Amino acid sequence: AQKITQTQPGMFVQEKEAVTLDCTYDTSDPSYGLFWYKQPSSGEMIFLIYQGSYDQQNATEGRYSLNFQKARKSANLVISASQLGDSAMYFCAMRTAAGNKLTFGGGTRVLVKP
Amino acid sequence: DAGVIQSPRHEVTEMGQEVTLRCKPISGHDYLFWYRQTMMRGLELLIYFNNNVPIDDSGMPEDRFSAKMPNASFSTLKIQPSEPRDSAVYFCASSPQGQGFAEAFFGQGTRLTVV
Repeated sequence: AQKITQTQPGMFVQEKEAVTLDCTYDTSDPSYGLFWYKQPSSGEMIFLIYQGSYDQQNATEGRYSLNFQKARKSANLVISASQLGDSAMYFCAMRTAAGNKLTFGGGTRVLVKP
Repeated sequence: DAGVIQSPRHEVTEMGQEVTLRCKPISGHDYLFWYRQTMMRGLELLIYFNNNVPIDDSGMPEDRFSAKMPNASFSTLKIQPSEPRDSAVYFCASSPQGQGFAEAFFGQGTRLTVV
């Protein structure tokens, strides 16, 4: 079984500051991929960043970086220099080699304050 | 490519009626996922297909829900009979097979309201 846990239901961040969104996962499969998605108030799901379980380096995409700590089974998303447009729900997700299903965590709502 | 296309975007129906949600995945994608999103339960995976074959339907809430994928370019999620607690946003997503694990591309969702 695979499970994703996001313990922060919501958080505020000041514009231009960095914010870290927590994500822990559980799987017995050694091969898996971790994803972060953004869902703004308009409702669409936007893919942000991906980390493979065998990747040696932490993934980065522009202002997004993934703090991957394999031994702790955590894959935290860091958003640097927050912008007002970053206000949204953020979801962590996982796919494993067994079946390749895509499972999501409960999400974290981020509100960026001017 | 136009992306994943879902129809209708909004559906309002009366309790007891049959509802059919439709999804056209991105051409060439091998996986198709159906999700339901509510405030209380978050984003739940209902069922997913690989090469048109259902792989895991353990998330389908009950027998009132059924999903089909008759070909690589079309899938339906049917609720019969519908109940008010089925009100939610239903997302369809597709992804390629690829090397490693590919991201899923989501449709715009269908907002279902059962009154």
